Amino acid sequence: SAVISQKPSRDICQRGTSLTIQCQVDSQVTMMFWYRQQPGQSLTLIATANQGSEATYESGFVIDKFPISRPNLTFSTLTVSNMSPEDSSIYLCSVGGAQETQYFGPGTRLLVL
Amino acid sequence: AQTVTQSQPEMSVQEAETVTLSCTYDTSESNYYLFWYKQPPSRQMILVIRQEAYKQQNATENRFSVNFQKAAKSFSLKISDSQLGDTAMYFCAFMKGGSEKLVFGKGTKLTVNP
Repeated sequence: SAVISQKPSRDICQRGTSLTIQCQVDSQVTMMFWYRQQPGQSLTLIATANQGSEATYESGFVIDKFPISRPNLTFSTLTVSNMSPEDSSIYLCSVGGAQETQYFGPGTRLLVL
Repeated sequence: AQTVTQSQPEMSVQEAETVTLSCTYDTSESNYYLFWYKQPPSRQMILVIRQEAYKQQNATENRFSVNFQKAAKSFSLKISDSQLGDTAMYFCAFMKGGSEKLVFGKGTKLTVNP
């Protein structure tokens, strides 16, 4: 299984600001995924990030709000822009592994005041 | 669109006993995969067990096993000899074959009591 790290692990931000979350994988992967987990809720896929192409966003998520970069096969960033308290969530990145299994990073806990 | 339903928001079990968590799903796909993930308070998502839809045999991983009823679209998780470390949120998830996208249920909070 892949080893995935995320930075920061947690942050407290003021509304109207932006935060960039980093995801690093210990091996090269084709696709990386970003999920949001709102307080007490399940995980919802935000977007799929392929290296060298624009990210593909799920319904309800837009690039202006959640810009994603994928500069190489081991790294991706998710930016949460112009934050509001409703953006307070855990943000997780994941990668696909063997046998259609996905592995997750430890998550970034974001609180917006 | 696929949906995953976990009808038990919370459950509790005594240490060393057995507990079963329910999951049903809705899909018209024939090629898919089903997963159970565990999320302890540390919030790390940990894969517990996976099942390929084309396999009739139920998956087993040590104390964890599933009861996969394809016709009924049911995928329950049985935890035997429950341990305190099993206390966590458990999410059932669906993946369409070839998509790599997971659709999660709302989760079941399991508490193992000493």
